[in-house]
Amino acid sequence: QKEVEQNSGPLSVPEGAIASLNCTYSDRGSQSFFWYRQYSGKSPELIMFIYSNGDKEDGRFTAQLNKASQYVSLLIRDSQPSDSATYLCAVNPGGSYIPTFGRGTSLIVHP
Amino acid sequence: DGGITQSPKYLFRKEGQNVTLSCEQNLNHDAMYWYRQDPGQGLRLIYYSQIVNDFQKGDIAEGYSVSREKKESFPLTVTSAQKNPTAFYLCASSPSDRIETQYFGPGTRLLVL
Repeated sequence: QKEVEQNSGPLSVPEGAIASLNCTYSDRGSQSFFWYRQYSGKSPELIMFIYSNGDKEDGRFTAQLNKASQYVSLLIRDSQPSDSATYLCAVNPGGSYIPTFGRGTSLIVHP
Repeated sequence: DGGITQSPKYLFRKEGQNVTLSCEQNLNHDAMYWYRQDPGQGLRLIYYSQIVNDFQKGDIAEGYSVSREKKESFPLTVTSAQKNPTAFYLCASSPSDRIETQYFGPGTRLLVL
């Protein structure tokens, strides 16, 4: 069973702070890693993907991948109340194009 | 305007009734997927299809059926055999050149009367 683990939270941060969301996965052969944002009652929205070790930045978002330690993280700089949502980590196991989703981490950014 | 549409937004099912959820995409994506999301749970794969007239069972296919007669459409039927159908149903699609990258429709919330 390929597993993707996330702390369910909620993670509460003040406005303007850096929010750090973490995800670990069990399959060492995993190649593709995704972060989705899901507002309450809405569908997931793809916000970041990363394939190689290291950091990938897009605006206020940075995805970090460490394949040796089998974790992927998402940093949100200058957090805003509009960032309050559940963040889903998705990992493609080796040899499959179907991702395994974590249960998500709830982020609350308070003014 | 390209995208994935799902209808209806809310659906009510009576005991013993089959209901069909619609999913349409005009993104020219080859692969399409159906997921179920329960409160506090991750997404669970019901069925997926990589090409027209072909589909495979996911992790929780029992009580569900699909068809893929057109590239643009991938309807999901929730049959009376699905005893606990109340959930948020999400359709997704992915392009053939980045098949691992999924994009989601707005979802259908199914409730049992």
